Amino acid sequence: GQSLEQPSEVTAVEGAIVQINCTYQTSGFYGLSWYQQHDGGAPTFLSYNALDGLEETGRFSSFLSRSDSYGYLLLQELQMKDSASYFCAVRSPGGYQKVTFGTGTKLQVIP
Amino acid sequence: NAGVTQTPKFQVLKTGQSMTLQCAQDMNHNSMYWYRQDPGMGLRLIYYSASEGTTDKGEVPNGYNVSRLNKREFSLRLESAAPSQTSVYFCASSEEEGRGYTFGSGTRLTVV
Repeated sequence: GQSLEQPSEVTAVEGAIVQINCTYQTSGFYGLSWYQQHDGGAPTFLSYNALDGLEETGRFSSFLSRSDSYGYLLLQELQMKDSASYFCAVRSPGGYQKVTFGTGTKLQVIP
Repeated sequence: NAGVTQTPKFQVLKTGQSMTLQCAQDMNHNSMYWYRQDPGMGLRLIYYSASEGTTDKGEVPNGYNVSRLNKREFSLRLESAAPSQTSVYFCASSEEEGRGYTFGSGTRLTVV
């Protein structure tokens, strides 16, 4: 089966940097995605890592280590609007186990 | 572009009633998905369609049926609603299977 672990809640200060971790156990691995979801809204795709290393998109970066079955999302220069839930999702081969989502990390940005 | 459009946005059903959730995308994506989201459980896949004319069960398909009407439309049907199906339902599509999903705005369904 598949399992993903991420912290349930994280609090950070406006303007600071925050890292949201995700560890996974899967049968096979293609890639790790990150999604943002504001309260009452739909998930929005942020990034996808298939290879080891860091990928940067503006204030957001995503890192993957396949050997450690670990990834993280890094948010820099935090803004109040970054307060949301962040989900990691693993893409893996075989049947319906194509994408498994974590239970999400609720980020609260405080002034 | 509208992206992924879901209807209705809200629905209250009585136990045993049936309904169809509609989803349409205008991005020419091959893959479409139905997820449900419950508190503390993340998103769970109900059904997916890798391409027009094909559908497959996901993690939690019991009590649901789907139809991939054409490349744009993918509907989810509850034949006999149960309180356990109270949830938020999201339709999604992607150009490449399993990555870069675009989600609809969701349907908040309550079964009483």
